Parts: sequence; C-alpha cells; structure tokens
Amino acid sequence: GQNIDQPTEMTATEGAIVQINCTYQTSGFNGLFWYQQHAGEAPTFLSYNVLDGLEEKGRFSSFLSRSKGYSYLLLKELQMKDSASYLCAVRDGDYKLSFGAGTTVTVRA
Amino acid sequence: DGGITQSPKYLFRKEGQNVTLSCEQNLNHDAMYWYRQDPGQGLRLIYYSQIVNDFQKGDIAEGYSVSREKKESFPLTVTSAQKNPTAFYLCASSDRDGNNSPLHFGNGTRLTVT
Repeated sequence: GQNIDQPTEMTATEGAIVQINCTYQTSGFNGLFWYQQHAGEAPTFLSYNVLDGLEEKGRFSSFLSRSKGYSYLLLKELQMKDSASYLCAVRDGDYKLSFGAGTTVTVRA
Repeated sequence: DGGITQSPKYLFRKEGQNVTLSCEQNLNHDAMYWYRQDPGQGLRLIYYSQIVNDFQKGDIAEGYSVSREKKESFPLTVTSAQKNPTAFYLCASSDRDGNNSPLHFGNGTRLTVT
C-alpha cells in the first residue's frame, strides 16, 4: 500500500502564509493531488502535480519533488474561510489514488 | 449541472442488516470510487471501477460489495460482515485514469449502525 504523511494540525493568523508538507512512498507514481475539505462536506480539488516544480493558482501553490517523495501546499494571504482540512493524495503506478490523513488548518483573526 | 449525487445524506440501520448506498454521476466519467472516512483518519479506498462491468478491491474491501452495471451508477452495499460500518462514505468519479484527472466527490452519506 501507500504511505502518505502530513502534519495533523497547523494554526496561522489571518493574512499570513502557511505551508503544509506531504511526504509519500508509493509503488510507482502518476501524480499528486491536494484537496480542501470543510467539516462534514466533500473534498474539493485544489491542485495537481505530476512533474517536479511549482504550480501556482491564485493564493494557492503546490510544489513537487519526485526524487524526494515530497510535496507542499502553500496558502498565502490566509482568510478565515481557509480554515479546513487539507488532504494530500497520491496516484500510484496502478492509478489507485490514496489519501493522507489530512492537515487541519485553523486561521485565527 | 453535472455532478455526483449520493443518497441519502444520513442513513440509520440496525446491526446485522445489509444497506446499499447510492451513487449516480452525470459527468460521463469512466472511473468511479468509494471511500470511507473516519475521524482522524484519511480517506480509505473501498472499491473502484475504471469501466462498466469491472471493479477492483481497494485497501478495505472486506464486508463491502459493489456493482457497475451502468456507467453512471456505482452502488455500494455495506454487509453485516463489516465489523465497524458506522462512518462517512464518499463516492467519487474521474475521467479514465490515464488522463490523471482529479476526482470529483459527492456530498457523502453518513451511515450510523446501532
């Protein structure tokens, strides 16, 4: 199976920047996804990386290093509505998508 | 609007009963998935299907069964053999895996078994 690790919780102040790290060990690799999930709701897609480097989408950016089995999600100019769980997911060589346990981000005023 | 519909949102059953969770999508996606989410844990894959009339076991398939008779439908049956069935169940779909498209999720079904 997969081994996907990310921190359990992070707290930051409104307007600040937070970086959520994700490390993974998989048999084969076909892409890494980041999802946002508010409590009791379905996850929503944020970003996708399959090649090394940084992908930027507005206030959110995601980075991937395949050789290190490492990714991070960067949230800039934090807003209260960004308080949510952020899920790292990796698609393996068989195209099966596995998720980490999620990082709960709390944004304080 | 295209999307994934899971019903019902809340479901209550007595121990020993089988229960079927519905998942329908009108996104014309080939692949469909069932995940289970428990507090403090990530989404765990139960079953997935990449094409009609074919499906594979995920990481925690024991006590569950699925069918994929139509492209738009992927129902999940939670059988009495599932030891801890109370959980939040999420259905998802995506384009054929080779396209590396993201998963689109339904709003989930919260199942409580007492």
